[in-house]
Amino acid sequence: NAGVTQTPKFQVLKTGQSMTLQCAQDMNHEYMSWYRQDPGMGLRLIHYSVGAGITDQGEVPNGYNVSRSTTEDFPLRLLSAAPSQTSVYFCASSSRTGVSTEAFFGQGTRLTVV
Amino acid sequence: AQSVTQLDSQVPVFEEAPVELRCNYSSSVSVYLFWYVQYPNQGLQLLLKYLSGSTLVKSINGFEAEFNKSQTSFHLRKPSVHISDTAEYFCAVSKTNFGNEKLTFGTGTRLTIIP
Repeated sequence: NAGVTQTPKFQVLKTGQSMTLQCAQDMNHEYMSWYRQDPGMGLRLIHYSVGAGITDQGEVPNGYNVSRSTTEDFPLRLLSAAPSQTSVYFCASSSRTGVSTEAFFGQGTRLTVV
Repeated sequence: AQSVTQLDSQVPVFEEAPVELRCNYSSSVSVYLFWYVQYPNQGLQLLLKYLSGSTLVKSINGFEAEFNKSQTSFHLRKPSVHISDTAEYFCAVSKTNFGNEKLTFGTGTRLTIIP
């Protein structure tokens, strides 16, 4: 039972480089989202998706792109990394059916931009 | 807009002592309330939730929280803590129909248990 899988776990980027953080879930959840976690600020919503082909912006979307071509995958793209994007990134998924109201989180990706 | 305030960033507690982690929220509409726990180097896990009904909700590992609408609070309590409770605790709210989407988190409270 894999749940929500994020890769990589750690990454160091140079300013201006691009990369994609991967997120996959095997629970057939409709809803997926990306958060960033910074010291003293809790988790803040970056982007979210309510199903394949549908995405929307959260609280802090600038500098990030997402797409959702399948139910399982929800990658987060940094087109030109900046030091302000140094953070821990969490992907989460949840069901829109049934009575479960739990968001399942991945283990996180720790990103450092130098 | 909704917001969540966790006033205590760090709480040290002796083992077997009681603890309360405070959470206040602000929202003009009804919300769903959650406590998530993050153990070192792990993702977040749901600890307990309030959706409706009884204002006192409990987790399987002895934590409980009480929804107080008049004080807009959802404080987390445990009568006797254990070393294994060492973690960071996040209070969160959602006002969406599905209850678990577009969560707004507090800044977290790091609970340290002293042997």
